[in-house]
Amino acid sequence: AQTVTQSQPEMSVQEAETVTLSCTYDTSESDYYLFWYKQPPSRQMILVIRQEAYKQQNATENRFSVNFQKAAKSFSLKISDSQLGDAAMYFCALKMYSGGGADGLTFGKGTHLIIQP
Amino acid sequence: EAQVTQNPRYLITVTGKKLTVTCSQNMNHEYMSWYRQDPGLGLRQIYYSMNVEVTDKGDVPEGYKVSRKEKRNFPLILESPSPNQTSLYFCASSLSVGGYTEAFFGQGTRLTVV
Repeated sequence: AQTVTQSQPEMSVQEAETVTLSCTYDTSESDYYLFWYKQPPSRQMILVIRQEAYKQQNATENRFSVNFQKAAKSFSLKISDSQLGDAAMYFCALKMYSGGGADGLTFGKGTHLIIQP
Repeated sequence: EAQVTQNPRYLITVTGKKLTVTCSQNMNHEYMSWYRQDPGLGLRQIYYSMNVEVTDKGDVPEGYKVSRKEKRNFPLILESPSPNQTSLYFCASSLSVGGYTEAFFGQGTRLTVV
């Protein structure tokens, strides 16, 4: 079974600053996908960014980028130029490529991100 | 508009009173699943379905039932709810279970069992 660990229950950052959210995972498979989801107070789950394990290049989406270290099984999210609208719960998630069984998304426990104006 | 629709969004019920949370998707997705979200625990999968009439247990299936009679619908049934099932529930769907297919989430159902 795979696991996802987010060791920071809460993070705080000043508006316009950069913040990095940590995520480590464990799986015995080599083909998988990693995701960061944002959950604002509206509760909607919003996909922020995804990374395919076979790609060495780190994914980037505007102000959001990841640092994917496959050997270390680490997948951190960097948010640059933080904005008030970035305040939310962030979840790291893992999905196996092969699918099947209960291989939906395995989530971490989440990091609550606070943006200080 | 492509979406996953859950109903109701909020529900307060009493222990033992059977309830159903509905989930419907309009994207012809094969794979559907239910998650519960609890503070400090993240989201955990309850049940999933890989296609019509094919369902299986996830990580926390106790106390829940599901059915998949039609491709678009995947209701979650609590036959005899208990207070420990108070939680935020999400339905999700994706085109297929393997490979990369984006998961689309419903807006969540906040359930309180008293």
